[in-house]
Amino acid sequence: NAGVTQTPKFRILKIGQSMTLQCTQDMNHNYMYWYRQDPGMGLKLIYYSVGAGITDKGEVPNGYNVSRSTTEDFPLRLELAAPSQTSVYFCASSYSRSGGGYTFGSGTRLTVV
Amino acid sequence: AQSVTQPDIHITVSEGASLELRCNYSYGATPYLFWYVQSPGQGLQLLLKYFSGDTLVQGIKGFEAEFKRSQSSFNLRKPSVHWSDAAEYFCAAEDNNDMRFGAGTRLTVKP
Repeated sequence: NAGVTQTPKFRILKIGQSMTLQCTQDMNHNYMYWYRQDPGMGLKLIYYSVGAGITDKGEVPNGYNVSRSTTEDFPLRLELAAPSQTSVYFCASSYSRSGGGYTFGSGTRLTVV
Repeated sequence: AQSVTQPDIHITVSEGASLELRCNYSYGATPYLFWYVQSPGQGLQLLLKYFSGDTLVQGIKGFEAEFKRSQSSFNLRKPSVHWSDAAEYFCAAEDNNDMRFGAGTRLTVKP
């Protein structure tokens, strides 16, 4: 039982490049989330999805895009990478709309230079 | 605005000593409350959660948390800290599928 799997674990991007952070869960959870974690700031929600084909913006969506074509996968796309997107990115999933708590992946550390 | 505050950025305790990590929330109604732990290089792991009922909640790894409505607090406690408890701890509150996290408290355990 893998839970939530994120790839890659580390990545260095040049300014203006693009990339996709992959996230897959094998728990058949409908709800999935992308957070970024910056030192001393906790986690900020970028995008979330309540099921296949349905996504919505979180607190800090600018510069990112997502898609949810299947229940299992929730990739995060960075277009035109900027130094402000240097962060650690976490994908999470949950089985219920509220109260269930989240299962997190181990994160992707992204540096934009 | 809804928010979660962890007043302590960094706490150091000796191994075997007791621990209390503070968390305060600002919500119109009582949200769902959570504590997560993050070991270095890892994702967050759920320690415990509170929905309603008994205000003392037991979690994994010997942790417990007490909900106090009058103080809008949800403090995490452990009677005797082990060196393996060194990590960062996040308090979170959820209302209507909106989970918000505190900034975290980093715990250092002295031998």
